[in-house]
Amino acid sequence: AQSVAQPEDQVNVAEGNPLTVKCTYSVSGNPYLFWYVQYPNRGLQFLLKYITGDNLVKGSYGFEAEFNKSQTSFHLKKPSALVSDSALYFCAVRGQTDSWGKLQFGAGTQVVVTP
Amino acid sequence: EAGVAQSPRYKIIEKRQSVAFWCNPISGHATLYWYQQILGQGPKLLIQFQNNGVVDDSQLPKDRFSAERLKGVDSTLKIQPAKLEDSAVYLCASSWGTTYTGELFFGEGSRLTVL
Repeated sequence: AQSVAQPEDQVNVAEGNPLTVKCTYSVSGNPYLFWYVQYPNRGLQFLLKYITGDNLVKGSYGFEAEFNKSQTSFHLKKPSALVSDSALYFCAVRGQTDSWGKLQFGAGTQVVVTP
Repeated sequence: EAGVAQSPRYKIIEKRQSVAFWCNPISGHATLYWYQQILGQGPKLLIQFQNNGVVDDSQLPKDRFSAERLKGVDSTLKIQPAKLEDSAVYLCASSWGTTYTGELFFGEGSRLTVL
């Protein structure tokens, strides 16, 4: 069975500094990996995905993520954080044989960006 | 483009009562999902529909939860009778299909409190 670990409950960063949110996964076969963001009282919004190809994936709002197969990681990064990036971030994985909706989500990482 | 609509946004009920949540997906989206998000956890897939057929309901507690998607558009998720542990946010999501992009579009959720 697939699983996702987000080792940090919260990440604090000053505005303008680089932001990294960590994610490691476990899945049978090749993984399909996703990042979603959740703002207060809002639904989840898709940020980016890795299906195949280039290990560095670029997504919405200046975010990117790097797929590392040997370390089974898919860390989310942003070179320069904004206060508006403060939100709850979820990493998710899907196995090759699962339907698209059967994503296994991590518990989430709260990002706090201070001015 | 209108997003995924859900109602009600908030519901408070006593245990053993029943509740129903409604979802209207993005127009043209064939696949609809219901997720349960318990506080402090990532969303968990309850049921997935492709048009009006069930693709995956392996994690739906069928003794108390039921869902339908008549005519392949709107969907209703029902809980009867509710238990304290059902307190959660119920998220509806939709996508073009099962293999298009992998991106799910989420509604804002229906927050259930069971007392």
